[in-house]
Amino acid sequence: NAGVMQNPRHLVRRRGQEARLRCSPMKGHSHVYWYRQLPEEGLKFMVYLQKENIIDESGMPKERFSAEFPKEGPSILRIQQVVRGDSAAYFCASSPSTGLSYEQYFGPGTRLTVT
Amino acid sequence: AQSVAQPEDQVNVAEGNPLTVKCTYSVSGNPYLFWYVQYPNRGLQFLLKYITGDNLVKGSYGFEAEFNKSQTSFHLKKPSALVSDSALYFCAVRGGKNTGNQFYFGTGTSLTVIP
Repeated sequence: NAGVMQNPRHLVRRRGQEARLRCSPMKGHSHVYWYRQLPEEGLKFMVYLQKENIIDESGMPKERFSAEFPKEGPSILRIQQVVRGDSAAYFCASSPSTGLSYEQYFGPGTRLTVT
Repeated sequence: AQSVAQPEDQVNVAEGNPLTVKCTYSVSGNPYLFWYVQYPNRGLQFLLKYITGDNLVKGSYGFEAEFNKSQTSFHLKKPSALVSDSALYFCAVRGGKNTGNQFYFGTGTSLTVIP
């Protein structure tokens, strides 16, 4: 059973470009979470999705950031018009259920560098 | 509001000695507590969790954690440290009233086991 897959692992973008980060959850998992990790900080929640639904986006910046989890295919985190402050590691996690007792399984992350 | 504090940025311990990585939490209601480990350029790996029941929880790789409700702590422990335990450790909490399914992470503690 493959784990959570993320690609690309490393992404370099110039200021003003768009960044697309992809996440394929573990097989059988229908709950996806995105987190951002800045240097010297812990992970900060961004958004929680189920298939075709955004459940909680309270951690997402109001502008330039969007996320989706279509019926078919991976979840996508999209950052438009990137700025230097968007440089971070972005982690995706999945879980089989919405229950609070379930751990989340994390992908290896995408390291975004904005030049 | 839910939060987790890891008071030590760095912990050094000699190989073979017991180790402790500290975590305190703040949550309204019953906490669900988790420990994750992160190796360089990797995603987070689940170690153990406390949901209910015995205060001493055993997890992967010989790690255990003790839930102390009166001190609102969930310290990670291992009786005999290995050099391969050197990594970044994150404590996380879920649960509480009017919160979503996301984790609230501490800022992490870097553990170095000295040969």
